[in-house]
Amino acid sequence: EDQVTQSPEALRLQEGESSSLNCSYTVSGLRGLFWYRQDPGKGPEFLFTLYSAGEEKEKERLKATLTKKESFLHITAPKPEDSATYLCAVGTQGGSEKLVFGKGTKLTVNP
Amino acid sequence: SQTIHQWPATLVQPVGSPLSLECTVEGTSNPNLYWYRQAAGRGLQLLFYSVGIGQISSEVPQNLSASRPQDRQFILSSKKLLLSDSGFYLCAWSLGGGREQYFGPGTRLTVT
Repeated sequence: EDQVTQSPEALRLQEGESSSLNCSYTVSGLRGLFWYRQDPGKGPEFLFTLYSAGEEKEKERLKATLTKKESFLHITAPKPEDSATYLCAVGTQGGSEKLVFGKGTKLTVNP
Repeated sequence: SQTIHQWPATLVQPVGSPLSLECTVEGTSNPNLYWYRQAAGRGLQLLFYSVGIGQISSEVPQNLSASRPQDRQFILSSKKLLLSDSGFYLCAWSLGGGREQYFGPGTRLTVT
């Protein structure tokens, strides 16, 4: 069964304190790995797609990386406005049009 | 650019009442469409998805149903709501081929 596990469940950082969120996955064949940001009461906002091991994507203070078993979302010098829940999802090979989501990491950045 | 709409934004319904949530997408043709539910403290649960008009795949057996009467319209329905149907309902679209999904603003449903 395809599975996505995110850790930690919650993370508190001070402004400027860099850290990483983890997304480990078990799938029969990876078609793509996706990162989303979700603010309270809103729909998830698409951030990145990673397709193959070794690939990296960056956007402002966020950098996503991918290995054969996990992905990391690195947050450099975070600001309070980076506070949100970050979701990871995988698409699997075999023609499925579904994504499997993790439960997310709730990030709080204190000023 | 593409836009996805959901309405209503919030809904409070008594147990046993019917439900109809609507989702429309603008700016694209023949998208894949998805309905998810997000309960407090839990992840996103895929309820239904559609790869074309009239084509619905159900992921969770329950008292909900979905329909796609037009290319860019996706409707989630129930004949009789249960307390356990409360949650945050999200509609999403994608271009298919395993690509990313884009989410709407969501509907907060409270069943009392």
